[in-house]
Order: sequence, then C-alpha cells, then structure tokens
Amino acid sequence: DTGVSQDPRHKITKRGQNVTFRCDPISEHNRLYWYRQTLGQGPEFLTYFQNEAQLEKSRLLSDRFSAERPKGSFSTLEIQRTEQGDSAMYLCASSPDQETQYFGPGTRLLVL
Amino acid sequence: AQSVTQPDIHITVSEGASLELRCNYSYGATPYLFWYVQSPGQGLQLLLKYFSGDTLVQGIKGFEAEFKRSQSSFNLRKPSVHWSDAAEYFCAVGTTSGTYKYIFGTGTRLKVLA
Repeated sequence: DTGVSQDPRHKITKRGQNVTFRCDPISEHNRLYWYRQTLGQGPEFLTYFQNEAQLEKSRLLSDRFSAERPKGSFSTLEIQRTEQGDSAMYLCASSPDQETQYFGPGTRLLVL
Repeated sequence: AQSVTQPDIHITVSEGASLELRCNYSYGATPYLFWYVQSPGQGLQLLLKYFSGDTLVQGIKGFEAEFKRSQSSFNLRKPSVHWSDAAEYFCAVGTTSGTYKYIFGTGTRLKVLA
C-alpha cells in the first residue's frame, strides 16, 4: 500500500500526559499537512510542511502543539500536557503539488 | 473570508434513489473544489475535483459534480445510490491565498435505506 499512513490509529491518554503521532506521506510527495477534526465538524487546518520546512501554523495550534518533519520524510505531531479539548481525529495529508491532497486514516485521540 | 457551506447535516435516501448533496462556497477567485467521502472512523477519500474547464466533473463510484459559478455551488450527484454509499461527505475549497490549504464544510451524513 503506497498511501498515507498514520500511527497510532487510536490513542487514549489521561489529561496532562504528552502524546506523539506519526505520519508517513506518499514517498514522492514533498508537501505535508496536518488537520484536526472534531465530532460533527469538517477537518480544520493545523500546519503545513514543504519538505522539512514548516511554512505555516494555524492559530489553532497552541504552544502545547509542535510538529516536525525531519529530512522531509515522515512527520510527527506532539501534544504536551493534553487537555480534554484536544480530543479529536488528527488527519495527515500529503500532496505532490499545490492541488490535490491525499489523506491518511487519521489518529483518533481521546483525553480522559 | 473564504468559507464552505453544506446546508444539509443529514440526508436519508432509499437505495436506488438519486442523490444530490449541496455545497456552496465563498471565494474571491476561481476555486479549486473537491468532494471527499469519509466512512466511520476512517480518513478522507477523494471522490472528485474541479480546477477548470468542463463544469461537469466525473468521479469515482459513479459520482459527479457540477460547478456553477453564478450560484457559487458545487453540488454532488449520483443517479442511483447503493447501501455502501452511506458515509459522511465533505466539500472543500483549496485556497491559494497564502499557504495552499483546504477549507472544509461541516459535512453531510448520508443514510441509505434498504
């Protein structure tokens, strides 16, 4: 399967703990995006990488959130000191150009 | 501000019936428009996209959509719905102001009656 993969698919954590999610994009795609989707809503943009450079961060991405894409390959999204409001589906997408994005299966986070 | 509106939160149709899901957008230039489908607990699968040219676009699974600039709409249609089409459908616009990214509507949940 050469699609976008995300790990883990599900994560349950206690409030205050740190969590890290991983995204492996389609190998030839140099653009990578993170979105957050809460229940009953469409996905909302969080951040964007072109190769290893993080070029934009949404205001939704508080100081507790950090994302990296070392060497322009996989990406990680870390949430520190999780809060119940962080419970959501975190979606990763990759793109070869400024047009179509291809999404992974998502990581569903539940903060207790 | 750019936005996407999907007026119908839920739609129920009988299997074999036709389907139309509505999408309206607000965007200054000619937008890039997309429809994605999301099954429960899954990511988003691209159904079809419109960039330019023919305003009627064909997608996978028998779906089509029509871009109407005068109505700022990009409605999704299918002539005969199958039970496996039950899912949530998202319309999105690709915004080229600043970083290229998607703005999504809130989605329409489709239920199919046997």
